[in-house]
Amino acid sequence: SQTIHQWPATLVQPVGSPLSLECTVEGTSNPNLYWYRQAAGRGLQLLFYSVGIGQISSEVPQNLSASRPQDRQFILSSKKLLLSDSGFYLCAWRPGIPNLPLHFGNGTRLTVT
Amino acid sequence: AQKVTQAQTEISVVEKEDVTLDCVYETRDTTYYLFWYKQPPSGELVFLIRRNSFDEQNEISGRYSWNFQKSTSSFNFTITASQVVDSAVYFCALSLNSGGYQKVTFGTGTKLQVIP
Repeated sequence: SQTIHQWPATLVQPVGSPLSLECTVEGTSNPNLYWYRQAAGRGLQLLFYSVGIGQISSEVPQNLSASRPQDRQFILSSKKLLLSDSGFYLCAWRPGIPNLPLHFGNGTRLTVT
Repeated sequence: AQKVTQAQTEISVVEKEDVTLDCVYETRDTTYYLFWYKQPPSGELVFLIRRNSFDEQNEISGRYSWNFQKSTSSFNFTITASQVVDSAVYFCALSLNSGGYQKVTFGTGTKLQVIP
């Protein structure tokens, strides 16, 4: 069966520090991968998606970036965090077949101080 | 453009009451999929149901039921005889093709609190 792992679960970082969140999927190949952010009391905002290695598309321009160095690995990064980057970050995957549901990781709660 | 509206921000019900969560969507596409997800306090999102735009049959799964009406662009979710374990944030989502990629747009969620 397929599983998705996301870490760390919680993170407290000072403003201006770098960020690296990692997500890996097991049990499938060539998944579509996604990063979402959920601000407190708000819905899910799509940040990045990837349909293959090295293929990254951004939905929202900001100081975050994403990379997919391996088929089942998706990394969310920032060189310098802002206070507004605080939130709950969720990685998700779906098979390459259209319109199947997304499957989410457990999320990372990021607090920028 | 696609949009999902969940007008109910928070709902509180007493255990065993029925509750309906509303979802209204907007799209000009004729082919699309609708989803409901549950986010318990632990944070992970759990997939509940998928419905495609050509299938307007209502669906029932245990205490859960879904009413899809294309005429009103709504995909409402009803929980019958609610339980404390149903307390969570529920998200409605719309998926359609966007430049060869499946773009999924989520509503802002409805927080359901079931009071024992």
